Amino acid sequence: EVQLVESGGGLVKPGGSLRLSCAASGFTFSSYSMNWVRQAPGKGLEWVSSISSSSSYIYYADSVKGRFTISRDNAKNSLYLQMNSLRAEDTAVYYCARDRAPTIFGVASNWGQGTMVTVSS
Amino acid sequence: DIQMTQSPSTLSASVGDRVTITCRASQSISSWLAWYQQKPGKAPKLLIYKASSLESGVPSRFSGSGSGTEFTLTISSLQPDDFATYYCQQYNSYSLTFGGGTKVEIK
Repeated sequence: EVQLVESGGGLVKPGGSLRLSCAASGFTFSSYSMNWVRQAPGKGLEWVSSISSSSSYIYYADSVKGRFTISRDNAKNSLYLQMNSLRAEDTAVYYCARDRAPTIFGVASNWGQGTMVTVSS
Repeated sequence: DIQMTQSPSTLSASVGDRVTITCRASQSISSWLAWYQQKPGKAPKLLIYKASSLESGVPSRFSGSGSGTEFTLTISSLQPDDFATYYCQQYNSYSLTFGGGTKVEIK
């Protein structure tokens, strides 16, 4: 069974940093592209970043480009999101999501339970 | 970036109703469209990919159609478990974008 478990969320002051982690199990992690998607309280879904299976291709939403860094460690079956220069508008539940198939980019078939990030003074 | 517009934003319906949700893309995305269902406090669930392909385990009352810029998600006979928010998402470009969501409420 595919499992994705996010951690690292919490309360941080504006301008601060946070590192999210996503522990993957139940599938060959190194074969799949992975994504971070967020959802602000009471709002819709917003794609944040994606990384290919070997980290060769990395993409970011304009809203986080230059502040967030996605990475992965295939040996540890883990996905990360380093978030710097955090703003109030980054407050959201952050989901880790796996692409549906190794050859399909951008369709998330498996999602974690999410981790809440709150940016407030 | 490609903009995705869903309509309606809210839909009131009864059990057994046929429900249709529309999603429009600001430019052609071929058939690179997915639909998700999300319930309060839960992660989204993939229903449809490539505009009309049903994800494994999803009931056959869900169907998707369309190509280019106009897409629809249809629930043929609404069930109590279907009251939720639905999102479309394009993956034609590497900057993925979601629609604003359609909340299906009990009438």
